[in-house]
Amino acid sequence: QLQLQESGPGLVKPSETLSLTCSVSGGSISSSIHYWGWIRQPPGKGLEWIGSIRHTGNTFYNPSLKSRVTVSVDTSKNQFSLKLSSVTAADRAVYYCARHLMEATTSHFDSWGQGILVTVSS
Amino acid sequence: QTVVTQEPSFSVSPGGTVTFTCGLSSGSVSSDFYPSWYQQTPGQAPRTLIYSTKTRSSGVPDRFSGSILGNKAALTITGAQADDESDYYCVLYMGSGISVFGGGTKLTVL
Repeated sequence: QLQLQESGPGLVKPSETLSLTCSVSGGSISSSIHYWGWIRQPPGKGLEWIGSIRHTGNTFYNPSLKSRVTVSVDTSKNQFSLKLSSVTAADRAVYYCARHLMEATTSHFDSWGQGILVTVSS
Repeated sequence: QTVVTQEPSFSVSPGGTVTFTCGLSSGSVSSDFYPSWYQQTPGQAPRTLIYSTKTRSSGVPDRFSGSILGNKAALTITGAQADDESDYYCVLYMGSGISVFGGGTKLTVL
């Protein structure tokens, strides 16, 4: 059974870079039909897609975050990562990683990590 | 920027039927937007319910169904149960690799 697990610092200082990793087990990140995505949720608010990456390195980003976001993949470790630069208090959120099936006939998130809360504070 | 719209809240009686919608601030939703639906209870990760408009994810009871109603995507719960009380989110695919979440609908079962 596929499992995704987020890891990284739970506290980041304002103006610094948030860095998270998602470890995938029970399946290969080199799947030919899947992307791997990041979604976040500020406390008490809705979900927001951040970006998705394929094992080839092909990426798609939310236009509203694109200037600050980098998603990368490490196939040797079966992991993918998120970097969000110049963080502010508005970036405080639970960050989820998810498997993103995106192909000719569908686009949806079909498996989710449990999420990790990241707080931005000095 | 296109906004995906959902009703903020709904209430339903146990055993009742409720339909949520997922629309666009400008334009109509069709199956070409590959609407998907997710259920989230407080403190938990989202759970995938429906994708590609009407396909139920594995293990999702058939009381959950998806469709296109008029110019919106829709999620219907038939025979609502107490544990259906959750937040429900839709996602639309905008093309060029871009996915957009709706603001979510909070369902109360009472």
